[in-house]
Amino acid sequence: AQSVTQLDSQVPVFEEAPVELRCNYSSSVSVYLFWYVQYPNQGLQLLLKYLSGSTLVKGINGFEAEFNKSQTSFHLRKPSVHISDTAEYFCAVSEHTNAGKSTFGDGTTLTVKP
Amino acid sequence: GAGVSQTPSNKVTEKGKYVELRCDPISGHTALYWYRQSLGQGPEFLIYFQGTGAADDSGLPNDRFFAVRPEGSVSTLKIQRTERGDSAVYLCASSPGTGTEAFFGQGTRLTVV
Repeated sequence: AQSVTQLDSQVPVFEEAPVELRCNYSSSVSVYLFWYVQYPNQGLQLLLKYLSGSTLVKGINGFEAEFNKSQTSFHLRKPSVHISDTAEYFCAVSEHTNAGKSTFGDGTTLTVKP
Repeated sequence: GAGVSQTPSNKVTEKGKYVELRCDPISGHTALYWYRQSLGQGPEFLIYFQGTGAADDSGLPNDRFFAVRPEGSVSTLKIQRTERGDSAVYLCASSPGTGTEAFFGQGTRLTVV
């Protein structure tokens, strides 16, 4: 069984400031890791994914994340946020046997203030 | 279409009624997934299809929930005797296989009154 913990339910930040959204996971097997963004009344959009290879993953909209196997973490970062980054962010983990069957965290609400 | 299409986008039904939610996956995608997202929570896995067969239905909460994919493309999630606790956004996703992530639709918001 797997689990995902998003350590902050809400993160307020000022525009152009850096941000880090924290995610820890638990699994007894090798995993794939994902970050999704969800805007109000919309579906999930993939920001980035770690499948294998380099542990530093770059995604869309200037986001990046680093897979840390020893700390079982996959924190999401952006050096300078915009108002338009205000949204709900979800971390998810899947086993290698089925990448589409994911366990999601409860989400982090990122609010970017002017 | 280019993406996963779900209909209807919103559904309001009375407690005890039967509802069907439809998912049209990306053309050629053999894997199809249903998730349920309750207010303030992340999506929860319900069921996975590979082709026409339900390969993993371990997330279905009880026997009131059922899903089909008869021709290996469109899928229908069926909920019998709806309860107020079934109110949620039901998300469908599809993938070309199990080795890559799934692509999500916009969801169907189900409200049971």
